[in-house]
Amino acid sequence: AQSVTQLGSHVSVSEGALVLLRCNYSSSVPPYLFWYVQYPNQGLQLLLKYTTGATLVKGINGFEAEFKKSETSFHLTKPSAHMSDAAEYFCAVSDRGANSKLTFGKGITLSVRP
Amino acid sequence: NAGVMQNPRHLVRRRGQEARLRCSPMKGHSHVYWYRQLPEEGLKFMVYLQKENIIDESGMPKERFSAEFPKEGPSILRIQQVVRGDSAAYFCASSPPRGMQTQYFGPGTRLLVL
Repeated sequence: AQSVTQLGSHVSVSEGALVLLRCNYSSSVPPYLFWYVQYPNQGLQLLLKYTTGATLVKGINGFEAEFKKSETSFHLTKPSAHMSDAAEYFCAVSDRGANSKLTFGKGITLSVRP
Repeated sequence: NAGVMQNPRHLVRRRGQEARLRCSPMKGHSHVYWYRQLPEEGLKFMVYLQKENIIDESGMPKERFSAEFPKEGPSILRIQQVVRGDSAAYFCASSPPRGMQTQYFGPGTRLLVL
């Protein structure tokens, strides 16, 4: 069975600082990997995904993530935080191939200090 | 192209009543997924449906919960005889019939059981 670990529940950074949100997965074969963002009282918006090819994936709003098979990780980064980045971030995995369910981590709340 | 639509956005029920949640997928999407988000937890998969078929219901509680996606009309998640523990946000996602395994989420229905 797949699982996703997001260490910590809350990260706080200063505006302009580096954002690093960690995600590790457990799966018998490398899965598809996703990062979603959720703003208060809203649904989830896809930030980026990795399915195949280049392991460094660029997403919306200046975010990127790197798939590292040897570390079973898919950490999310952004060079410079903006106040509007304050939200909850979820890492998720799914089986490769046909449409299948997403398995989510517990999420990390990102706060951005002025 | 309208996104995934869910209604109602908020639903209040008393214990023992029925809750009916609706989800209209994005145009051209024939796959629907339901997830539940409990307070302080990530999203948990409930059920995956295609038109008139349940593909994976491994996350559905054995009793009181049912889902359908008829040939015409929205997908329905039905909870009978609701209990306080059913209070949660219920999200629907849809994906196209083929391709890149990306699920697009609706804004959710927030169910409160009194």
